[in-house]
Amino acid sequence: ETGVTQTPRHLVMGMTNKKSLKCEQHLGHNAMYWYKQSAKKPLELMFVYNFKEQTENNSVPSRFSPECPNSSHLFLHLHTLQPEDSALYLCASSQEGTSGSRGEQYFGPGTRLTVT
Amino acid sequence: KQEVTQIPAALSVPEGENLVLNCSFTDSAIYNLQWFRQDPGKGLTSLLLIQSSQREQTSGRLNASLDKSSGRSTLYIAASQPGDSATYLCAVRYSSASKIIFGSGTRLSIRP
Repeated sequence: ETGVTQTPRHLVMGMTNKKSLKCEQHLGHNAMYWYKQSAKKPLELMFVYNFKEQTENNSVPSRFSPECPNSSHLFLHLHTLQPEDSALYLCASSQEGTSGSRGEQYFGPGTRLTVT
Repeated sequence: KQEVTQIPAALSVPEGENLVLNCSFTDSAIYNLQWFRQDPGKGLTSLLLIQSSQREQTSGRLNASLDKSSGRSTLYIAASQPGDSATYLCAVRYSSASKIIFGSGTRLSIRP
């Protein structure tokens, strides 16, 4: 499989549930990102992992917990979410800091999350 | 405050026309600027990436330009086709960190 994959593609969860979103990139990149896309709002960067180290956390509530076990996998653990967290969650990857790298981001298809 | 603005929010043109989409940003110290298209309910597809040192990039019927001094980028689409209908997003990445800011997008509709 190529590119950036995300599972599941759709998720419905109650406010007391715990679930995880998974992202995998097959591009050999060293940086991965989580974004949130809500209706009628610009895409919001949530977390950045560069060389498996978290380098950015844009004031995201603690009910979202990222995990990056290696440079190819990224998880977003969810617990006690609110209805306003319903959105499309997108994962992306890029190659950073190496000769010839341009920082071009490649996105996965997203997980459509509905919190009831 | 660093902001990225895309105007108009929506655009409808007949098939065959050439068109220009606009992206403006408030801070000229950018690292790169990337144009994407997004089809409804789908992820983003990268179209063109312009590095800070470049003035334009071309791919097929698409041409993106960058003018840092005026804080603007344009995406030119030649000979538009119904398959070009999508939302077009620009994203500005700043030098200071990995900070990336997206515009709200322009929803483009090409009428057959």
